[in-house]
Amino acid sequence: ETGVTQSPTHLIKTRGQQVTLRCSSQSGHNTVSWYQQALGQGPQFIFQYYREEENGRGNFPPRFSGLQFPNYSSELNVNALELDDSALYLCASSSQGIEGYTFGSGTRLTVV
Amino acid sequence: KQEVTQIPAALSVPEGENLVLNCSFTDSAIYNLQWFRQDPGKGLTSLLLIQSSQREQTSGRLNASLDKSSGRSTLYIAASQPGDSATYLCAVDNTDKLIFGTGTRLQVFP
Repeated sequence: ETGVTQSPTHLIKTRGQQVTLRCSSQSGHNTVSWYQQALGQGPQFIFQYYREEENGRGNFPPRFSGLQFPNYSSELNVNALELDDSALYLCASSSQGIEGYTFGSGTRLTVV
Repeated sequence: KQEVTQIPAALSVPEGENLVLNCSFTDSAIYNLQWFRQDPGKGLTSLLLIQSSQREQTSGRLNASLDKSSGRSTLYIAASQPGDSATYLCAVDNTDKLIFGTGTRLQVFP
């Protein structure tokens, strides 16, 4: 049974650029969620995908968007990057939360 | 709006001590509660999941309890070791997302 894998592990982008982060869900899981974690804070919910549809969204602007693919993997896209977007981005998969969530190792995004 | 608070924010103890980490939440209508461990700069490792119908879960030296009516969960770590040093995060599942506390940063020294 494979866990949740995220790529890349680290990324440096310039303000105004666009970025795509990728996540492969754990085998048997059909729901993917994305979280943003600023330094010293708890993770904040961005959005969740189930059956390739957005199934809940946190307090993030529309320039944060996502996709879920038929194999349940997912992408997080962020347009017009701002300095405050610098954070650890975490992906989590679940079977609709029934048995809890499994997280990946995260992508560290730095915007300069 | 659900809010999750963790106390203490930081803890430094000698090896061998038994520890209690506290988590409180404002809305008792939760689906599950999950405790995670996070090493610096790393992802989250699930420690224990307590479903809403359960009152506690145990795994090795870890025991977590849940009292929904009072909005509290406690993570108990027995016989702490230096390898337990990490940040411990409590998260409540509001059916479509996890809401996290800011964590307890634990340091166990030899």
